[in-house]
This record gives sequence, structure tokens and C-alpha cells, in this order.
Amino acid sequence: EAQVTQNPRYLITVTGKKLTVTCSQNMNHEYMSWYRQDPGLGLRQIYYSMNVEVTDKGDVPEGYKVSRKEKRNFPLILESPSPNQTSLYFCASSFERGLQYFGPGTRLTVT
Amino acid sequence: GENVEQHPSTLSVQEGDSAVIKCTYSDSASNYFPWYKQELGKGPQLIIDIRSNVGEKKDQRIAVTLNKTAKHFSLHITETQPEDSAVYFCAADTGFQKLVFGTGTRLLVSP
Repeated sequence: EAQVTQNPRYLITVTGKKLTVTCSQNMNHEYMSWYRQDPGLGLRQIYYSMNVEVTDKGDVPEGYKVSRKEKRNFPLILESPSPNQTSLYFCASSFERGLQYFGPGTRLTVT
Repeated sequence: GENVEQHPSTLSVQEGDSAVIKCTYSDSASNYFPWYKQELGKGPQLIIDIRSNVGEKKDQRIAVTLNKTAKHFSLHITETQPEDSAVYFCAADTGFQKLVFGTGTRLLVSP
């Protein structure tokens, strides 16, 4: 089954404790993105990647890092999480412009 | 940068009625406009899209219209059913993999 998977689905952590949210897709897509979703703000792009070792900032990259060492994986790294990074995070992948497949989401709470 | 406004934020209709959601965008360079449906606890799912060289596109009960001159596009759902209840997002593609989303419309279809 073609899908985008994210782990963990739910995470509660404390300020400053480094964490990684994994994202994997099995569709051999070149393009992957991370979004955060906040009430009243819709989805905002954090980072995107057009291929292995090629990443670029989206609209809200501050406080986040990404890496793309393999085509299927695109982890999101929070080196020092803060409460304002409490949000619902989505990973997405696509093989052509705009047609993005979203993962199920990761709900992160930073206390 | 691109700004996408979406209205209304909530929409309640009776089963069988039509529903219309409207979006405006600011960047005339945007040329791809997808619509996503997000059900509770799930990631957004693409339901229909339109490119700037097309004025209208239909897929069964769903249609999207685009007015490039006025920079607005709309989602039309006819013969609504309770399973259409969800949050709908419009988006504009300002460049490859750079999707800017509207803030969402919560559609409630009452039996």
C-alpha cells in the first residue's frame, strides 16, 4: 500500500530536550515536505526537499532542522524544542508539482 | 510572498444542498491550485486541483473554478452528503513544492 508514515504519532516532551520525528514514504517520490498545522493558521511549510541531499527552507523554518540522506526518509529534528513548537506536524511526499500525499500527522506537545 | 485567504471559516448545510468555498490569492505567478479534504485525525487528502490554463474542472459532485484575472478560485460541492463533513483547505503553488494554504473551512452537512 502506497503511504507516508510518521513516528511517533503523539509526543509530549519538555523544553530543550532534542527530538526527532521520522517520516518515510514507499512511493519512490523525489519530493518531500514538512508542515505544521495550527488552529486558525492552516498548514505552513517548514522545510522541503527536492531530492537526496537537497533541502530548502519553507515559510516557518526557525527552530527546525531536516536531513535527506535517503530518498524514502525525511526526518524533522527539533534541537531545542520550545512551547511555541507545540503543534500538529505533517510530512508529505510527491512525484510532481503540487500533488502531495500527506502522512497521518504527529501531535507534539512541548511543556 | 503569496497570501491565500479562504472563506467562510465554517459552513453548515442540509444534506442535498450545495456548498461553495472561496479562496483568493495574491501572487499572479501562482499557477496550480489544489483543494484538500481533512477528516478528523487524518492528514489532508487531495480531492481536486486546477491549473491556471483551465477555468473549470469537475469530478462527479465536486467542481473547482478559477478566475485568474480576479485571482480567486472556488470549490463547489453539489448534492452534499454527511460524509462530506470535514475541513477543506485551498492552496496555491507559488513555485515547485512551495504550497501556501488557506486557513480552512469546516463544512458540516446535516442529515
